[in-house]
Amino acid sequence: EPEVTQTPSHQVTQMGQEVILRCVPISNHLYFYWYRQILGQKVEFLVSFYNNEISEKSEIFDDQFSVERPDGSNFTLKIRSTKLEDSAMYFCASGGNRVGGELFFGEGSRLTVL
Amino acid sequence: SQQGEEDPQALSIQEGENATMNCSYKTSINNLQWYRQNSGRGLVHLILIRSNEREKHSGRLRVTLDTSKKSSSLLITASRAADTASYFCATEPYNNNDMRFGAGTRLTVKP
Repeated sequence: EPEVTQTPSHQVTQMGQEVILRCVPISNHLYFYWYRQILGQKVEFLVSFYNNEISEKSEIFDDQFSVERPDGSNFTLKIRSTKLEDSAMYFCASGGNRVGGELFFGEGSRLTVL
Repeated sequence: SQQGEEDPQALSIQEGENATMNCSYKTSINNLQWYRQNSGRGLVHLILIRSNEREKHSGRLRVTLDTSKKSSSLLITASRAADTASYFCATEPYNNNDMRFGAGTRLTVKP
């Protein structure tokens, strides 16, 4: 069964460092998302991406964050200068060829900022 | 905010009992979805109900949607220990495609 894969599964970084989280969405999907979840808390929307551009972003997704689909398969989330409060699980999700369908989630990347 | 708010935050029941979780939201939606998350894992889609539907079934799951009250409920019948997980509702607003999730209901089913 097709699945969304995320790497790394866990990354530890120093405050102020840049981090890139990678995702390989399901191949025929067109809508891509990043969410984050601070331990035990709610799943927070960061950004949605369609047709090679951001379609929606939340107030969390400030200038420190960026997304890219560099090669038609990978979908990356970059945090330019990490803060302690960026420590969380980051989930990538992809959706099929219509808005409002089921989202398929990866297993997440745990980011720990020291 | 648009995201759904689940209620209760935590629910503990015995195996075989039914579990009911509720979700409220604030604005017009295209659809509402329920997801499940095992501890430390990704979310898994359970069921989608469209704004023009009132009830939907899938196996032991029953979802209702009341758009006049902006609320939904998820019923899991004959619960099993393996149903222990967090359950999230997610709403897709009418005019955009960002799916917003609530804080979830943590369900514990005791064997």
